[in-house]
Amino acid sequence: GAVVSQHPSWVICKSGTSVKIECRSLDFQATTMFWYRQFPKQSLMLMATSNEGSKATYEQGVEKDKFLINHASLTLSTLTVTSAHPEDSSFYICSASGVNTEAFFGQGTRLTVV
Amino acid sequence: DAKTTQPPSMDCAEGRAANLPCNHSTISGNEYVYWYRQIHSQGPQYIIHGLKNNETNEMASLIITEDRKSSTLILPHATLRDTAVYYCIVRVAGDSSYKLIFGSGTRLLVRP
Repeated sequence: GAVVSQHPSWVICKSGTSVKIECRSLDFQATTMFWYRQFPKQSLMLMATSNEGSKATYEQGVEKDKFLINHASLTLSTLTVTSAHPEDSSFYICSASGVNTEAFFGQGTRLTVV
Repeated sequence: DAKTTQPPSMDCAEGRAANLPCNHSTISGNEYVYWYRQIHSQGPQYIIHGLKNNETNEMASLIITEDRKSSTLILPHATLRDTAVYYCIVRVAGDSSYKLIFGSGTRLLVRP
């Protein structure tokens, strides 16, 4: 299947700082990207959907000013967690799909806020 | 909310077929059924998807009932590496694209 790469794989940051996570589609053009969050022993929760060049569409209950999503090119989307707090610690996963392709997932980023 | 229900856990013996059921009784006519699996602390891996017809690929087979209200994922010869959480997902239309809303999945344990 197609390759979606996330970076970093894990990150530890201090409370109050911002963290940026990158998601790249390596061998296809991702017209749509999705960002998920997963807490321990729970399923994936969709946070937002973004189309290249457009503003992201956030799911109900997800603060768009806290979780900034940029999808400026067909191969890159970023998620910035602003003013992170310990309750933002989670496993963040991106997914990308192209025209007429299924969605492929990155390997995830484990964020720990201390 | 997810449009699917799955048993929380199942197990099968290595080398035997694993049959994972999924109910999606509210599926609409143009909504696809997708299956992904997630091995601990990794991103989900695509397995297979279908609309109406049964589908088969190198990983699995997908059997969809005629009324489309349920489906079964079949791993023909399960191995220990198939131990994972399997998610059955109905792909739904979003505001500007489609969405994959994950349910709670089935935790499959393949026994030696």
